[in-house]
Amino acid sequence: AQTVTQSQPEMSVQEAETVTLSCTYDTSESDYYLFWYKQPPSRQMILVIRQEAYKQQNATENRFSVNFQKAAKSFSLKISDSQLGDAAMYFCAYRIPDKLIFGTGTRLQVFP
Amino acid sequence: DAGITQSPRHKVTETGTPVTLRCHQTENHRYMYWYRQDPGHGLRLIHYSYGVKDTDKGEVSDGYSVSRSKTEDFLLTLESATSSQTSVYFCAIRVGTSGVTDTQYFGPGTRLTVL
Repeated sequence: AQTVTQSQPEMSVQEAETVTLSCTYDTSESDYYLFWYKQPPSRQMILVIRQEAYKQQNATENRFSVNFQKAAKSFSLKISDSQLGDAAMYFCAYRIPDKLIFGTGTRLQVFP
Repeated sequence: DAGITQSPRHKVTETGTPVTLRCHQTENHRYMYWYRQDPGHGLRLIHYSYGVKDTDKGEVSDGYSVSRSKTEDFLLTLESATSSQTSVYFCAIRVGTSGVTDTQYFGPGTRLTVL
């Protein structure tokens, strides 16, 4: 069965610094997609970034980037130049046909 | 904003009563999903639909039923609510058909409390 593990329930970072959130997954598939979603206190789920497993190049969206290690089944999210507005729950997700499997989330606090 | 609304946004009900949550989309996407979110569990799939009258179960479907009579509406029903169904419920739509564009976007959520 496919599973997604986020081993850091909480993380903190100082404003303007860099933080990395970890995610590992288990799958026997060779072609799949991975996502990071952000959930601020408003509760809205917001797509942050996505990665195709067949691409070796790591995805980047402005201050957000991933470190995708396919052999290790690892998909970490790096947030550069952290801002107060980055404080949220972050969920890693793996897509199997028609469905998303989510990790349990990491709560990120950002201190001024 | 992917054009998804959920109603109601908050509901308090009593054990044993039926409850229906509504998800409405404005963009005619084929796939729609219902998830629940609980502390320590992330989001878990309840049911999903891949077209009008076409639905399938997710990992936590017991105690829930769904219906989709129109493309734009996906209803989640708790036939007899229990306290274990107290949760935040999210609807999602799937945008794109394959590849990197195949992404789920979420509604604002419904907080349901069963007393």
